[in-house]
Order: sequence, then structure tokens, then C-alpha cells
Amino acid sequence: QQQVKQSPQSLIVQKGGISIINCAYENTAFDYFPWYQQFPGKGPALLIAIRPDVSEKKEGRFTISFNKSAKQFSLHIMDSQPGDSATYFCAANSGGYQKVTFGTGTKLQVIP
Amino acid sequence: NAGVTQTPKFQVLKTGQSMTLQCAQDMNHNSMYWYRQDPGMGLRLIYYSASEGTTDKGEVPNGYNVSRLNKREFSLRLESAAPSQTSVYFCASSPMGGEKLFFGSGTQLSVL
Repeated sequence: QQQVKQSPQSLIVQKGGISIINCAYENTAFDYFPWYQQFPGKGPALLIAIRPDVSEKKEGRFTISFNKSAKQFSLHIMDSQPGDSATYFCAANSGGYQKVTFGTGTKLQVIP
Repeated sequence: NAGVTQTPKFQVLKTGQSMTLQCAQDMNHNSMYWYRQDPGMGLRLIYYSASEGTTDKGEVPNGYNVSRLNKREFSLRLESAAPSQTSVYFCASSPMGGEKLFFGSGTQLSVL
């Protein structure tokens, strides 16, 4: 049972454009929603995370938008650059609970 | 600061062979995890250790065993490898149960 659904599976964006990746969750007990970035041949690395008490969090060109009522959250990459080309995973867990649930990943390609 | 170190980086096994994947972290984290990554399926938790001396099953524990040797080290053992265990394996650690995971660079395992 997949508790975090991620879309799209792949995404091609032109340099300077906005990349948008969406995730939806089912478990209302989730209270921590991170995004991880993975480059080929490397392990995932934490990019940005949000808790449900805010609707948006921004760090540089990366923004998480969170809609608690719809149980959805999304990652926006502004002014996308070729160096942003990577696989992005959304994830969720609850209250220090050890088991983190990951989405299936989105492979982003930013073309010049 | 090395972070999370996994060995080996690549391994080829024949069906029925056994092997142990090693993981060590130098960040004094309490929690450690083993994930497998397969195309289109994201990251799935195999086993985790919330603290030294404890281990628990994740989503896909069948065919695997783990040992939390000390606070730094967490190993994953395949007793009788099967082709279905062909995957990329990631070890991760966290300072606070499930949040802010720090991943190693992975072990690419092929079982023929």
C-alpha cells in the first residue's frame, strides 16, 4: 500500500523555467514532509522539509507548498538550472516515528 | 567528516550465495536504516535500528537480517541471495528518528 503518491514520474523543463512536482498522502498522522534530491550514483540528500503548521516554506529557489485539507504537498523549483537535473523524492513520517514513507521519485531534466 | 560509509560499492553474487553489506556513520546518530531502491518503486525500508541494541522490520524484510554492532555500525546480511534482491542498497542514519536522513552512496548488488 503506497501511502505517498508522487507525480509526474519524469519531467523535462527548460532552463529558467519552473519545475513542479506533486505528492499526495493518505495518513493524517504524518507531520513531517521532506524532499530529497538524488544525483546519479549518489545517495539521496535532504533538500527541504515542511511541517503542517505552515502552508509554504522557501529556501532559495526551492519552495514547498502544503495543503493540509487536500493532503497534498508540492515542490517548486524556480529558475530551474541544468545542475538541478536529478531525481527528487517526497517523503512523510510522523512524530519521530522511525519509518519514513517515500514517494516513487521524479526524474527531472533541465535542458539548456 | 565522512558521514555514512557503505562497503562494498558494487557486488555480483550467484543465486544462493551469502554476503554482508557494511555501513558505518561517524555523526553519533542514534538511528540507522537500510533501504533498497528499485526503478519506479522509490526507496523501501528493509530494517531499521532506533538505537544501539534494537532492530525492527521495515516494509520488505524477507530474505534479510541485520546487526547493530555498536552505535556506529549497522550491517545487512543476505543469507541466500535471490535474483529478486538485485537492487541498489542504501544505508542511512538520523539524529532524530526518521527525520533528516543522511544517506551513504549506495551498494549496487546484482544476483545472477
